[in-house]
Amino acid sequence: DARVTQTPRHKVTEMGQEVTMRCQPILGHNTVFWYRQTMMQGLELLAYFRNRAPLDDSGMPKDRFSAEMPDATLATLKIQPSEPRDSAVYFCASGLAQGLAGNTIYFGEGSWLTVV
Amino acid sequence: GNSVTQMEGPVTLSEEAFLTINCTYTATGYPSLFWYVQYPGEGLQLLLKATKADDKGSNKGFEATYRKETTSFHLEKGSVQVSDSAVYFCALSPQTGANNLFFGTGTRLTVIP
Repeated sequence: DARVTQTPRHKVTEMGQEVTMRCQPILGHNTVFWYRQTMMQGLELLAYFRNRAPLDDSGMPKDRFSAEMPDATLATLKIQPSEPRDSAVYFCASGLAQGLAGNTIYFGEGSWLTVV
Repeated sequence: GNSVTQMEGPVTLSEEAFLTINCTYTATGYPSLFWYVQYPGEGLQLLLKATKADDKGSNKGFEATYRKETTSFHLEKGSVQVSDSAVYFCALSPQTGANNLFFGTGTRLTVIP
């Protein structure tokens, strides 16, 4: 059963520390998304990639966040330095974009980040 | 632009009650529409989708019909169960682009026995 895999599932860190979240998209998918979920803001798109190239990262605070895809099987989201307001659930999702609308994207179970 | 407006929750229903969660959208062109469900402590799962006007998506007793004239995609279920308790998200994918999803704010449903 193919699925998007995220690590870590849970992370508690101190303010100022670097946090790296990793995602393995479903094999064969060419689009990868990072979303952040909080009670106040709901689901926010941070960044997405197609064929490993960043298409849009306008939702991401550039001063402290960075997203990369070192290869087709790994996407990373890094926060440096972390702040308490970064506490949220971070979801990775992947999909197969074939030039048509309606392609489903599949979510991982999320990385639950708490910054104290 | 693209946006989704979803019925605010929380919604509390008794088991076997009828469920409607309203969703309207704004989009250019002809988007595809989705309902995702999020159970406690889990990620979002696709519940159903519709890719063109008048299409009906259905799954696990849930249904939603793509209404272009009213720009709506309301979620319905005839008889809810306790296991349906979750947060439901309406979303759209623009006609063109990288199949990114625009989400509504989510509606929390609690079903009591």
